[in-house]
Amino acid sequence: DVKVTQSSRYLVKRTGEKVFLECVQDMDHENMFWYRQDPGLGLRLIYFSYDVKMKEKGDIPEGYSVSREKKERFSLILESASTNQTSMYLCASSPTWTAGELFFGEGSRLTVL
Amino acid sequence: GDSVTQMEGPVTLSEEAFLTINCTYTATGYPSLFWYVQYPGEGLQLLLKATKADDKGSNKGFEATYRKETTSFHLEKGSVQVSDSAVYFCALPSGGYQKVTFGTGTKLQVIP
Repeated sequence: DVKVTQSSRYLVKRTGEKVFLECVQDMDHENMFWYRQDPGLGLRLIYFSYDVKMKEKGDIPEGYSVSREKKERFSLILESASTNQTSMYLCASSPTWTAGELFFGEGSRLTVL
Repeated sequence: GDSVTQMEGPVTLSEEAFLTINCTYTATGYPSLFWYVQYPGEGLQLLLKATKADDKGSNKGFEATYRKETTSFHLEKGSVQVSDSAVYFCALPSGGYQKVTFGTGTKLQVIP
């Protein structure tokens, strides 16, 4: 069964802390994505990567960075967490040949105090 | 840019009622269209898709028809069950690199 695994389901951090959200996929997909999900706003794309060591900004990259050192792993980094980054973070992956078909992890709910 | 507009929820229905969730889109050309579903406590999963105009996607009793004349992709189900309670997202690929634009989601609650 194909799988996207996010390392933490729930995190609580303090303002100013550095936060790492890890995502691993076992489907050998080229593309990986980080979205955040907020009530009334739907899903908004933070960053995506179409290859190892490649990254592109999405719609809301401010305050975030990413790392993709291996094909299967895509990390989201909050250099200095702020309360407005309290949200649900969703990782997804897709193969190159299927436009729009994403496979999602279960999400990481981050609370910044 | 490309965008998707969904009806606002929440939608509350009794079991066995008919469901329609409206979705309209703005896009360059004729992209594929998708419905994703998010069950409580889970990530999103693909529910159905349509790849060209007049296509009908279907899965688990849900259907949606790609209508380019009205730029719509409304989700329907003839008889909902309590297990259909979830948030439903309309989506389309936009830009390059397989990016996907999502609607804001419509929460469905089905009561026994």
